[in-house]
Amino acid sequence: DSGVTQTPKHLITATGQRVTLRCSPRSGDLSVYWYQQSLDQGLQFLIQYYNGEERAKGNILERFSAQQFPDLHSELNLSSLELGDSALYFCASSVRGGRDTEAFFGQGTRLTVV
Amino acid sequence: GQSLEQPSEVTAVEGAIVQINCTYQTSGFYGLSWYQQHDGGAPTFLSYNALDGLEETGRFSSFLSRSDSYGYLLLQELQMKDSASYFCAVRDGGDDKIIFGKGTRLHILP
Repeated sequence: DSGVTQTPKHLITATGQRVTLRCSPRSGDLSVYWYQQSLDQGLQFLIQYYNGEERAKGNILERFSAQQFPDLHSELNLSSLELGDSALYFCASSVRGGRDTEAFFGQGTRLTVV
Repeated sequence: GQSLEQPSEVTAVEGAIVQINCTYQTSGFYGLSWYQQHDGGAPTFLSYNALDGLEETGRFSSFLSRSDSYGYLLLQELQMKDSASYFCAVRDGGDDKIIFGKGTRLHILP
């Protein structure tokens, strides 16, 4: 158990809908990262938050947004969903100043858009 | 920008040794990490190299050459449970994002 919790584990929704994925980082971790992994694809970096502030942005679509709350949990909002958004979405957390690039991943949310 | 290149697939025999290579280009380099991901599972951290040389952790070792922008993960005494995808990763020099290679799927034959 990495200590990172993601909910829900599975989500099936229709095209055009909006969903929210939730992530609770490990206790004490200030950084939260979101990644998208499509079938047989690598981990595509979406966005990173550090202590409530957006820290870095990747190739995140305008239909996607995220935030990190004062209690450090994070939510990823996906709207106007398309079939191509079907993927595994991972959240990871790390301690800034800890061992570099050691991040702890949640079990992911598998999103299926039908 | 950053890019990491690694082979898409590698096949090896149970009990043998396999090496997975990774070359990288980054705007600022701190170190190279390796992650393992089993099908349907979450990536898990394996190792980190900040300095040149070989780091050994049990059956797994990781090597870095900063001058060559190159590293590798060495897996010894392969077991069937090592069948997984392996990703190299770097932290971007300009901000804190962690960038992953596309991953190498390791197939192990009995």
